[in-house]
Amino acid sequence: SQTIHQWPATLVQPVGSPLSLECTVEGTSNPNLYWYRQAAGRGLQLLFYSVGIGQISSEVPQNLSASRPQDRQFILSSKKLLLSDSGFYLCAWSPHRETQYFGPGTRLLVL
Amino acid sequence: AQSVTQPDIHITVSEGASLELRCNYSYGATPYLFWYVQSPGQGLQLLLKYFSGDTLVQGIKGFEAEFKRSQSSFNLRKPSVHWSDAAEYFCAVEKTGANNLFFGTGTRLTVIP
Repeated sequence: SQTIHQWPATLVQPVGSPLSLECTVEGTSNPNLYWYRQAAGRGLQLLFYSVGIGQISSEVPQNLSASRPQDRQFILSSKKLLLSDSGFYLCAWSPHRETQYFGPGTRLLVL
Repeated sequence: AQSVTQPDIHITVSEGASLELRCNYSYGATPYLFWYVQSPGQGLQLLLKYFSGDTLVQGIKGFEAEFKRSQSSFNLRKPSVHWSDAAEYFCAVEKTGANNLFFGTGTRLTVIP
């Protein structure tokens, strides 16, 4: 069966510091991968999605970037965090234009 | 452009009572529709989905949803709520051709004894 992992589970970072969140999927190959952000009291906002290695689509301009160095690895990064980057970051995968399955999430607090 | 509206931000029901969470969408064709549930501090779990066919869809944990094209709605229902159903519920619509989901802002469900 397929599983999706995210780490770290919780992260507290100072403003201006770099960020790297990792998401990996097991038990499938060539999945679509997604990064969402969920701000407090709000719905989910799609940040990036990827249909293959090295293929990244950005949905909104922002302080973040994404990379897919391996088939089942999706990384969310920032060179300098802003206060507004605080939130709950969710990774998801799907077997191409079907249901998306979500990871446990990473809670990021920028101080 | 696709959009999803969940008009109820917060709903409180008594344990054992019936539940209906509303979801309306804006889309030019028959969409793919989803309901997800999120417990505090957790990821999202799929409850059910509608792609085509029978407009009444059964999901996990005793939930069901009905697609009504004339009303552009996909409301989630459960006949008898359990205390463990307290969570945040999200309706989502698939964006055609781009593998994207548009989410509503969610409805928080509180269950009282």
